[in-house]
Amino acid sequence: KQEVTQIPAALSVPEGENLVLNCSFTDSAIYNLQWFRQDPGKGLTSLLLIQSSQREQTSGRLNASLDKSSGRSTLYIAASQPGDSATYLCAVRPGGGSEKLVFGKGTKLTVNP
Amino acid sequence: GAGVSQTPSNKVTEKGKYVELRCDPISGHTALYWYRQSLGQGPEFLIYFQGTGAADDSGLPNDRFFAVRPEGSVSTLKIQRTERGDSAVYLCASSPAGAYNEQFFGPGTRLTVL
Repeated sequence: KQEVTQIPAALSVPEGENLVLNCSFTDSAIYNLQWFRQDPGKGLTSLLLIQSSQREQTSGRLNASLDKSSGRSTLYIAASQPGDSATYLCAVRPGGGSEKLVFGKGTKLTVNP
Repeated sequence: GAGVSQTPSNKVTEKGKYVELRCDPISGHTALYWYRQSLGQGPEFLIYFQGTGAADDSGLPNDRFFAVRPEGSVSTLKIQRTERGDSAVYLCASSPAGAYNEQFFGPGTRLTVL
């Protein structure tokens, strides 16, 4: 059974700092991995999607990497801003024909002005 | 273009009552998913539709939960004899066909069972 873990559970940083959020998964047989942002009381906003054949994806100040063989992904946020404060969720789409996403519990990020 | 929409945004009901939650996917998306998110947890998969049929309902917790998508677009999640433990945010997502596509989520319906 695929399990996804995100460390740390919460992170507080001063504005301007570069930071890394970690995601690990137990079964390396995945189709893809997706990073989401969730603001309090809101739905999920897709940030980046990495296919199993890819090593990384970039969008603006965000860079996500994938090491499928070791079951790890990182989300790098450059020059953090208070507006980046949110919960960041990692989700994998398992292989073997599964269509569902398996989520971690998320990392709650606070960027202090 | 419009994203995934869900109605109502909030639903408060009493234990034992029946509720329906609605999801309007992005136009043209053939795949539709329901997830449930409890406080402090990540979303958990409930059911997946490809077109009108439920292709995977392995996440439905018990037979009180049922979902339909009669015309391959709008979907309704139905919960019978609600229990306090059903309280959660119910999220809907849609995706173009194919395993390699992103899922796009709606804002969710917050269900509270008193």
